[in-house]
Amino acid sequence: DQQVKQNSPSLSVQEGRISILNCDYTNSMFDYFLWYKKYPAEGPTFLISISSIKDKNEDGRFTVFLNKSAKHLSLHIVPSQPGDSAVYFCAAYSGSARQLTFGSGTQLTVLP
Amino acid sequence: DGGITQSPKYLFRKEGQNVTLSCEQNLNHDAMYWYRQDPGQGLRLIYYSQIVNDFQKGDIAEGYSVSREKKESFPLTVTSAQKNPTAFYLCASSQTMNTEAFFGQGTRLTVV
Repeated sequence: DQQVKQNSPSLSVQEGRISILNCDYTNSMFDYFLWYKKYPAEGPTFLISISSIKDKNEDGRFTVFLNKSAKHLSLHIVPSQPGDSAVYFCAAYSGSARQLTFGSGTQLTVLP
Repeated sequence: DGGITQSPKYLFRKEGQNVTLSCEQNLNHDAMYWYRQDPGQGLRLIYYSQIVNDFQKGDIAEGYSVSREKKESFPLTVTSAQKNPTAFYLCASSQTMNTEAFFGQGTRLTVV
């Protein structure tokens, strides 16, 4: 039973447009959410995070939105650049379970 | 130059043999993790350690063993009991369990 779901395995976006990556979760005990970016044959790198007490966090071109009632978060990349092409993982942390759970990832391709 | 180092990058093992994957960090992080990545399944937690001389099973610990004798080292042994060991293995560390994790470059293990 996947507690963190990324239902879109892939997404293609034109350069300069907005990329929206989505993530759903089932465990209401998650209290911290993170996005990681991964290039082939490399480890993921941390991108941006959000605490469950907030609904938005912004860092440059990256913004993460959290909708707790819908158990949904999304990562917006504006404007998208070809270098953003990578696999993006959503992750959720539960303090009570003391575990970080990852989604299955979404391959983003930004077309020049 | 702080970071987390996994070695080797590629590893081949014969069926029935145990193999140990190395993970070293010089970030002075308390927590360390081992994840396994398979196509379409994201990152699944094998083992994690919050502090030296302590470690806990993750979601898929069967067929694996770890040790945490030193703060900077968290080796993973893939035993012959692991039925499907061929995968991409990622080690990570974080200051504490609820802060962002930093990942190594990964080890691709192939059983031949």
